[in-house]
Parts: sequence; structure tokens; C-alpha cells
Amino acid sequence: EVQLVESGGGLVKPGGSLRLSCAASGFTFSDAWMTWVRQAPGKGLEWVGRIKSKTYGGTTDYAAPVKGRFTISRDDSKNTLSLQMNNLKTEDTAVYYCTTDVDGALNYWGQGTLVTVSS
Amino acid sequence: DIQMTQSPSSLSASVGDRVTITCRASQGISNYLAWFQQKPGKAPKSLIYAASSLQRGVPSKFSGSGSGTDFTLTISSLQPEDFATYYCQQYNSYPLTFGGGTKVDIK
Repeated sequence: EVQLVESGGGLVKPGGSLRLSCAASGFTFSDAWMTWVRQAPGKGLEWVGRIKSKTYGGTTDYAAPVKGRFTISRDDSKNTLSLQMNNLKTEDTAVYYCTTDVDGALNYWGQGTLVTVSS
Repeated sequence: DIQMTQSPSSLSASVGDRVTITCRASQGISNYLAWFQQKPGKAPKSLIYAASSLQRGVPSKFSGSGSGTDFTLTISSLQPEDFATYYCQQYNSYPLTFGGGTKVDIK
């Protein structure tokens, strides 16, 4: 059974940093492309970024609002996906989900972790 | 970026009703379209991929159709557990984009 478990959310001040993690199990993580999606309170879903598998270079792509501030990485030895968020803004307040990504089809989702950016 | 427009944004329906939700892409996306169901406080759940393919374990009362720019999600006979918000998502190109959602509630 595929399981994705996010952690690391919390309250942070504007300009601060936070690192989210996603522990994956039930599939071959090293072969998987992975994506982060976020959802602001009461709002819709927004793609944050994606990381390819090492076979495809492990390259990353980001949404315009987070490019240059967020970094996605992976540790295939630990089956863990990470999202490093720097220079956080109030508009980054959201539940962050990690998902599997099969050519853009987001088939499995974690339960999400809430990030609140507020002074 | 490809814009995804869902309609209606909300609808009220009764148990047993047939419900149809529409999603339109700002440019052609072939059949690279997925549908998700989200209940309050929960993660989205994938229902349909490739416009019309049902995810494993999803009941056959859900069906999807369309290609190019216009797509529909149909629930053949609405049940209490189907009251939720539904989202479409295109994966023809990055950035991946979602529709604004359709909230289905009880009439």
C-alpha cells in the first residue's frame, strides 16, 4: 500500500524558513517523480513544484510564486522527499501535500502538513 | 500556463441525482486530464486519469469524458458519501494547473 506522510509544518514568521519532509513507502521511491501541491485555507489546489527521479537527472521545476525561494530535494536511501522553504511570505500559508507524479498524474497524496506564516 | 475553468462552482443535489461537472482548458490538452474528490479536512483523492480512466477502487458511478478542451465528470447516482468538492487538473504541460473546484452539497 502506498503511503506518504508529511511532517515539519508549523508557525513561522514572515521571512523565516521551514523544511517539510515526506516519508514514502509501498512503492519504489527511487523510480518515482514526486510533486508538492499546496492549498491555502478555504482555497483551491496549487502546484508548487516537482522533482524527477535520478534516472531522469533528478531535476526540479517550480511554480513562479515560489521559484528562487523553495527547493525540492530527495534522499532515495531514506525514501524521503523534502521541501526547503526560505523567505516565507504570508501568502505561503497553506496545507502542503506531497504526491506521486506519473507524467503529471497525481495518483497518491499524503495527508498534508499545515504551514502558517504570520507575525 | 494553461487555465482550467470548472463549472458550476457549486451545486445542490439530492441523493440519487445524476450530477455533471464541466471543466474547460484554455488550450488543447488531449486527454491529459484528471479528476479529484476532496472532503473537508482531507487530502484530495484521485478518481479519474486520462480523462476517462477510473482509478483502482473507485466505484463505477463515477465517469469522465472529453478530449481537447472540454471535459465532464458525471456521478450517475449521488450518494451521501459523494458530497464533496471536485477538482479537475491538466497534466498536458507544466506548470500543472487545477480548476477552481465544484462544491457538491445536499439540497
